[in-house]
Amino acid sequence: AQSVTQPDIHITVSEGASLELRCNYSYGATPYLFWYVQSPGQGLQLLLKYFSGDTLVQGIKGFEAEFKRSQSSFNLRKPSVHWSDAAEYFCAVGAGFNKFYFGSGTKLNVKP
Amino acid sequence: ETGVTQSPTHLIKTRGQQVTLRCSSQSGHNTVSWYQQALGQGPQFIFQYYREEENGRGNFPPRFSGLQFPNYSSELNVNALELDDSALYLCASSGGTSGNTYEQYFGPGTRLTVT
Repeated sequence: AQSVTQPDIHITVSEGASLELRCNYSYGATPYLFWYVQSPGQGLQLLLKYFSGDTLVQGIKGFEAEFKRSQSSFNLRKPSVHWSDAAEYFCAVGAGFNKFYFGSGTKLNVKP
Repeated sequence: ETGVTQSPTHLIKTRGQQVTLRCSSQSGHNTVSWYQQALGQGPQFIFQYYREEENGRGNFPPRFSGLQFPNYSSELNVNALELDDSALYLCASSGGTSGNTYEQYFGPGTRLTVT
């Protein structure tokens, strides 16, 4: 069965520090991969996506993610975090039969 | 370009009642998907509509049903509401001129509370 795992429920980083949010998926074929961000009480904003090709993808707000097939991972990174990045981040997988699976999310806190 | 809109923003219903939530897709998109997000959890896929037909469904009972209209807007209907149906309901649109039904853009959601 398809699944998405985000092992870190909460992460706290200092402003200006680097960030890496982990995502692992379980799917038989190469999936479509996404990262979304959600501010409290809001909908989801697409940060970046991977469909095929270059395994390092760039997104909005200075985020990037790397697809590693051998590790079934799609980790999100940012070299320098800003206070406005505090939010909840969701990894998602587009699988067959038009289904879409989300991880349980990672809440990011940013210390001043 | 108009984004995805949802109505109402908030809704309070009583157990056993029925509810209809509405979604207008982003211009150029022809596919609408619905998700349920319980507090503290990730969104769960309910179903997807394409060309007015259900085009994929998650693990939700038949009392969750939907419609898509010729203008690609959509409704989510939930019958016989249960307390566990309390959640944020998210609509996402995709496909059409954007080309990929998996590249979804979300609305702000409808917060449903069942008492």
